[in-house]
Amino acid sequence: QVQLQQSGPGLVKPSQTLSLTCGISGDSVSSTSTAWNWIRQSSSGGFEWLGRTYYRLNWSFDYAVSMRGRISITPDTSKNQFSLQLTSVTPADTAVYYCAREKAFFDSWGQGTLVAVSS
Amino acid sequence: EIVMTQSPATLSVSPGERATLSCRASQNVYSKLAWYQQKPGQAPRLLIYGTSTRATGIPARFSGSGSGTEFTLTISSLQSEDFAVYYCQQYINWPKTFGPGTKVDIK
Repeated sequence: QVQLQQSGPGLVKPSQTLSLTCGISGDSVSSTSTAWNWIRQSSSGGFEWLGRTYYRLNWSFDYAVSMRGRISITPDTSKNQFSLQLTSVTPADTAVYYCAREKAFFDSWGQGTLVAVSS
Repeated sequence: EIVMTQSPATLSVSPGERATLSCRASQNVYSKLAWYQQKPGQAPRLLIYGTSTRATGIPARFSGSGSGTEFTLTISSLQSEDFAVYYCQQYINWPKTFGPGTKVDIK
């Protein structure tokens, strides 16, 4: 059974970079039948998909249009994990961030990390 | 982008009663519709995918139906652990979008 364990700070200052990591057990970040996603949830409950990475013959990355230029998702095969970096954060980026495994739908989720952007 | 809507926003139900939740897509998503349950302070849990297939470990009291743009999640007899927020999500098109949720609370 796959488990996703998130780590990273819960407080980031405006204009700085948000960095989170999702450790994978029970599956491989290099699996050719899954994709690895970051999704966030606002305080009002709405979900926003941020981006994903997946491996087929090589690594691929998809990012939400609203995030392009600020987001980077990086797989780490040696540690079987993947990471999110979001630059130039503002208070509007305050949310609960989740990593999730995708098999078309999202069948496994990390525990979530509340990230507040505040000075 | 496909817009998902859900109704009602809140559903008050007594334990043991039946709950029916609706989800609508702004365009045809065929059967590519999933349902998730979320309890306070927890991550979403996949309940249903492919409109009507229960995920591993999900009790039979949860059932899904529909096609195209109209979908329904039915909980046949609400248990105490079923009081939560339920989200639908389409996965036919990118970005994969979620509905705003239906909160099922105790009547």
